[in-house]
Amino acid sequence: AQRVTQPEKLLSVFKGAPVELKCNYSYSGSPELFWYVQYSRQRLQLLLRHISRESIKGFTADLNKGETSFHLKKPFAQEEDSAMYYCALTSETSGSRLTFGEGTQLTVNP
Amino acid sequence: DAGVTQSPTHLIKTRGQQVTLRCSPKSGHDTVSWYQQALGQGPQFIFQYYEEEERQRGNFPDRFSGHQFPNYSSELNVNALLLGDSALYLCASSETSGSYYEQYFGPGTRLTVT
Repeated sequence: AQRVTQPEKLLSVFKGAPVELKCNYSYSGSPELFWYVQYSRQRLQLLLRHISRESIKGFTADLNKGETSFHLKKPFAQEEDSAMYYCALTSETSGSRLTFGEGTQLTVNP
Repeated sequence: DAGVTQSPTHLIKTRGQQVTLRCSPKSGHDTVSWYQQALGQGPQFIFQYYEEEERQRGNFPDRFSGHQFPNYSSELNVNALLLGDSALYLCASSETSGSYYEQYFGPGTRLTVT
């Protein structure tokens, strides 16, 4: 069974501070991991995925298969980063079906 | 392209009633997935439609059913509503070509069951 765990429901940092949103997963095969973001009054949208290995809006995430983690990081948080962040997983057998974590509400204070 | 659209935006129903939610996928997309998002939770997969057939289903009872039309739009039907069905229902569309199917989400329909 696939499972995604985001241990922090709430995370608060100051502008300019580093931020790390934690994500752990359980899946025995080869997963594809994603971070989705939902800004206030906007729809859920893809932030980044591990296969592209790209940085979006200064965020990066590295898949650590040994620790089954996919933590989202940004060295200098901005106020506009305040949003709800969801880690999600799919697999070679589930196609585009996503399994989401419960989400972390990030607040970046001025 | 307006992206994925959903209707209605909000809905209030009474326990035991039936409800139909609608979704139009992003232009060029042929696959529609439905998710239920309870308050304070992440979205949970209900089912997915492709070529007018249900291709995958999550852990939801048969009271939840769906349909996909030839123009790829989709409906989610919920019968015998329970208080616990109150949630935000999200529709997501994707295209089946390629090995990675990026999901594009709609704004959701907020269902309240009283």
